[in-house]
Amino acid sequence: RKEVEQDPGPFNVPEGATVAFNCTYSNSASQSFFWYRQDCRKEPKLLMSVYSSGNEDGRFTAQLNRASQYISLLIRDSKLSDSATYLCVVNPPGATNKLIFGTGTLLAVQP
Amino acid sequence: GAVVSQHPSWVICKSGTSVKIECRSLDFQATTMFWYRQFPKQSLMLMATSNEGSKATYEQGVEKDKFLINHASLTLSTLTVTSAHPEDSSFYICSARGTSGKTDTQYFGPGTRLTVL
Repeated sequence: RKEVEQDPGPFNVPEGATVAFNCTYSNSASQSFFWYRQDCRKEPKLLMSVYSSGNEDGRFTAQLNRASQYISLLIRDSKLSDSATYLCVVNPPGATNKLIFGTGTLLAVQP
Repeated sequence: GAVVSQHPSWVICKSGTSVKIECRSLDFQATTMFWYRQFPKQSLMLMATSNEGSKATYEQGVEKDKFLINHASLTLSTLTVTSAHPEDSSFYICSARGTSGKTDTQYFGPGTRLTVL
């Protein structure tokens, strides 16, 4: 089983739609969780950290369910500029600096 | 914000040659830098972690003699792909973790696309 698993997509949605991505992780003791965004042939950029209580940043909402070991990202009112690959990233236990990346979910927002 | 640069942004070389990639933290000091590799349609895979002034820690399956890492200062780490072969063609990305005030986040460089002919 992969350490971090995501549905690769692609998710094709119209502008203004709400879209949700899920991610599961295998190590129940993982400590930190993040969503990164990666545009084609570019480096990943931190979108938001994911906290146990859930957190929101504008149109983006992240949730963590430790019992089920999954993380979600909700994007409301999708914009064309949201088109990118969204990477679920987990910091495993015992390795403060290490990040484990999922393969990413491709989002294509259509006009 | 924290800025990390990489040089070169792309390189094409012949099989058997060595290629050096530089990673610099431009506006902060990075005690720890990380080197990742990403093949097409795959996730970033951590290759090694380097701490300033000490030997790098390589992930399982990564040959330390093939991928030489040097982290000689708090703002510069280099990755040298020795005797490169076509299967080494990939997108190499570095990231840097700050010493203070920016310790919770890894800042990524723009990546280096290596093509070995």
